Amino acid sequence: DQQVKQNSPSLSVQEGRISILNCDYTNSMFDYFLWYKKYPAEGPTFLISISSIKDKNEDGRFTVFLNKSAKHLSLHIVPSQPGDSAVYFCAASANSGAGSYQLTFGKGTKLSVIP
Amino acid sequence: EAGVAQSPRYKIIEKRQSVAFWCNPISGHATLYWYQQILGQGPKLLIQFQNNGVVDDSQLPKDRFSAERLKGVDSTLKIQPAKLEDSAVYLCASSSGTSGWETQYFGPGTRLLVL
Repeated sequence: DQQVKQNSPSLSVQEGRISILNCDYTNSMFDYFLWYKKYPAEGPTFLISISSIKDKNEDGRFTVFLNKSAKHLSLHIVPSQPGDSAVYFCAASANSGAGSYQLTFGKGTKLSVIP
Repeated sequence: EAGVAQSPRYKIIEKRQSVAFWCNPISGHATLYWYQQILGQGPKLLIQFQNNGVVDDSQLPKDRFSAERLKGVDSTLKIQPAKLEDSAVYLCASSSGTSGWETQYFGPGTRLLVL
């Protein structure tokens, strides 16, 4: 039962163009959503987040959009740069019922930005 | 600021052997997490500590996996005996709190191969 789904395993984009990475979730208890970026042989690094009370959050070239009714979020990168080439994980947070919040990750989307 | 440290970086063992991984979180971070990332999947939470107490270990296979965080700082994760399906990257992460809104900072991971 995959609660966070990233249906595109890979995405190729030309440098300078927009990259759009998508994520769907099924658990309506999720109230905080995050994107992590991962380079080979490194751990994931936090990129941007959004709470369920917002529908957009922007940080430089990165914008995350949340559509609660559709249980869908997306990450936009504009303009895309070769250094953005990495695996991007969507994650969602909910109270685990044990007094803590637990992150549930999608399978990731590998972004390749072509110079 | 030093990041999350993990060792070893790589480990190859035969099935039924035991193995241990070590994690040193970011200084001052009260919360420590161990994740398992199987190839092609997103990280899956195994156990969460706050200081030296276990907050959530609902997804830890307790018949073979154990973890401890002595003195609320360093942590070790042990597998005994290992199975082929334990081959994965084991990620340690830390955060300053447990509200679910604090950023989790990941270490580089330990890549385990069970033969």
